[in-house]
Amino acid sequence: EPEVTQTPSHQVTQMGQEVILRCVPISNHLYFYWYRQILGQKVEFLVSFYNNEISEKSEIFDDQFSVERPDGSNFTLKIRSTKLEDSAMYFCARAPVEGGNYGYTFGSGTRLTVV
Amino acid sequence: QKEVEQNSGPLSVPEGAIASLNCTYSDRGSQSFFWYRQYSGKSPELIMSIYSNGDKEDGRFTAQLNKASQYVSLLIRDSQPSDSATYLCAVTGANNLFFGTGTRLTVIP
Repeated sequence: EPEVTQTPSHQVTQMGQEVILRCVPISNHLYFYWYRQILGQKVEFLVSFYNNEISEKSEIFDDQFSVERPDGSNFTLKIRSTKLEDSAMYFCARAPVEGGNYGYTFGSGTRLTVV
Repeated sequence: QKEVEQNSGPLSVPEGAIASLNCTYSDRGSQSFFWYRQYSGKSPELIMSIYSNGDKEDGRFTAQLNKASQYVSLLIRDSQPSDSATYLCAVTGANNLFFGTGTRLTVIP
């Protein structure tokens, strides 16, 4: 089982609704990432997060997206007003060092379906 | 935008054969290279990492890196039906990983 737990495993939401995806890393790693994978497409970088701040974000990560680590444990991705094209698998990942030079450990994923 | 290219397949091999998966990348500054295995509907699982030119072996898996040609490959010896999955090549960028679209491998019993 992955060392990073994500909840929910599957979320169905109506277009325009807000969703919050959660990630609970089981380690002291400091570097966290969100990736998404649209069905049949590549795994795409969204955002990296270190020390409670965004380190880097991609063009996909627009104003509709936000990340937080509200309680020092859970790591959340919020999509404020979902669109149909947000339907994808969303993966949280952790790394022991910045930049991924030792690879990432991915969470179990959340399948988001926007209807 | 850094590019990582893989043949999407599907690649079919008989059980016991060697499966050969290939990947090219565009950024000559990339330092670290990874192969992930992804079963349908599941998250990517790291199976190999390689950092310097040459071969790296781990069990039935061998990763090969040629930085001059910007080429990474993965060989799976004695392929098993349980190896049937999509194999993702990943390459480090400035602060994160860039993935290829993956090669779907089917091992036929």
